[in-house]
Amino acid sequence: DAGVIQSPRHEVTEMGQEVTLRCKPISGHDYLFWYRQTMMRGLELLIYFNNNVPIDDSGMPEDRFSAKMPNASFSTLKIQPSEPRDSAVYFCASTPTGLLGNTIYFGEGSWLTVV
Amino acid sequence: SQKIEQNSEALNIQEGKTATLTCNYTNYSPAYLQWYRQDPGRGPVFLLLIRENEKEKRKERLKVTFDTTLKQSLFHITASQPADSATYLCALGHNAGNMLTFGGGTRLMVKP
Repeated sequence: DAGVIQSPRHEVTEMGQEVTLRCKPISGHDYLFWYRQTMMRGLELLIYFNNNVPIDDSGMPEDRFSAKMPNASFSTLKIQPSEPRDSAVYFCASTPTGLLGNTIYFGEGSWLTVV
Repeated sequence: SQKIEQNSEALNIQEGKTATLTCNYTNYSPAYLQWYRQDPGRGPVFLLLIRENEKEKRKERLKVTFDTTLKQSLFHITASQPADSATYLCALGHNAGNMLTFGGGTRLMVKP
């Protein structure tokens, strides 16, 4: 399997622009997570889905952030409008349903810079 | 509030020695704990899982302990190698789904 695939790998955008990050989870995985990593705050869970349904979005920082999972093989994280403080690495991850504590597989991340 | 602490300062050790990394937590009752490795510019990669009813787990040169009384996990790499240089993250999970809460990570530098 190719693993969790994220795009774009790098994005530089101007403040106020819309940013869309994309993720393809590992086939057969029922859980999908969006994390954000910064030097100051480390790795934070933003939202996660189970069987395409959002389960917990309490980590989404503001209404400017939204996430969707229209089908089992695709998810998006959108920031509109973007701000410089949104600059971070955004990771998508997936895991299969089953034994508690299953390995979570991370993508390589989308490096976002908002100027 | 829940807090997971890892030593934010880098750990520098000599090749061949045992590296010991610490993960402490407060206001949390995890069902399990995981350790991940993260290389620069890459996503975290799973290493080991230990559950609340387990005291110790081993995998090749890696050993993890889990003390729910002390609220602490120790991660050991024996016979360390320069290739072990990376940031190591601990993550705690609970029974409500597969959510993980991560510590800030500790950077390990193994010098030849």
